[in-house]
Amino acid sequence: EDQVTQSPEALRLQEGESSSLNCSYTVSGLRGLFWYRQDPGKGPEFLFTLYSAGEEKEKERLKATLTKKESFLHITAPKPEDSATYLCAVNTPLVFGKGTRLSVIA
Amino acid sequence: EPEVTQTPSHQVTQMGQEVILRCVPISNHLYFYWYRQILGQKVEFLVSFYNNEISEKSEIFDDQFSVERPDGSNFTLKIRSTKLEDSAMYFCASLDTGNTGELFFGEGSRLTVL
Repeated sequence: EDQVTQSPEALRLQEGESSSLNCSYTVSGLRGLFWYRQDPGKGPEFLFTLYSAGEEKEKERLKATLTKKESFLHITAPKPEDSATYLCAVNTPLVFGKGTRLSVIA
Repeated sequence: EPEVTQTPSHQVTQMGQEVILRCVPISNHLYFYWYRQILGQKVEFLVSFYNNEISEKSEIFDDQFSVERPDGSNFTLKIRSTKLEDSAMYFCASLDTGNTGELFFGEGSRLTVL
């Protein structure tokens, strides 16, 4: 059974303070690892797909990386509008982690 | 920008009542999904639908649940006899081609069962 564990559960950063979110996964075979952003009361919004160890994807202040056991979402110089819950999921149908709730304070 | 729309945004019902949640996927999409998120819990897969039939379903999706695509635009989730534990946010999602995880989610329908 595929499993995803995300840490930390919550993270509070000052604007401009870079950090990383962790997603550890256990799968029998990885067919894709996905990052989503979820704002309060909204549905998840797709950010990135990673397929193989060593792969990296970037979008604005976000960069996602993948190893054989975990993925990191690096946030560089975050802004208050980056505040959201970031969800990691593996394979299809998607198996989600509980997410990391990020708050960026101005 | 095309989007997945869901109605109602919030529904309150009594235990044992039937509920239908409606979704309008993005128009050229072929794959349709329902997920749910109980408050404070993970987003969980319920069912996927392709070519007018269920392609995959989870253990959560028991005989009390059904899905239908009654016309060319709507995709519905029916819960026949709601239980307290069905209270959750239900998300519809769609995908254009291929079975990837790059889904487009709607804003959700919050179901409260009393």
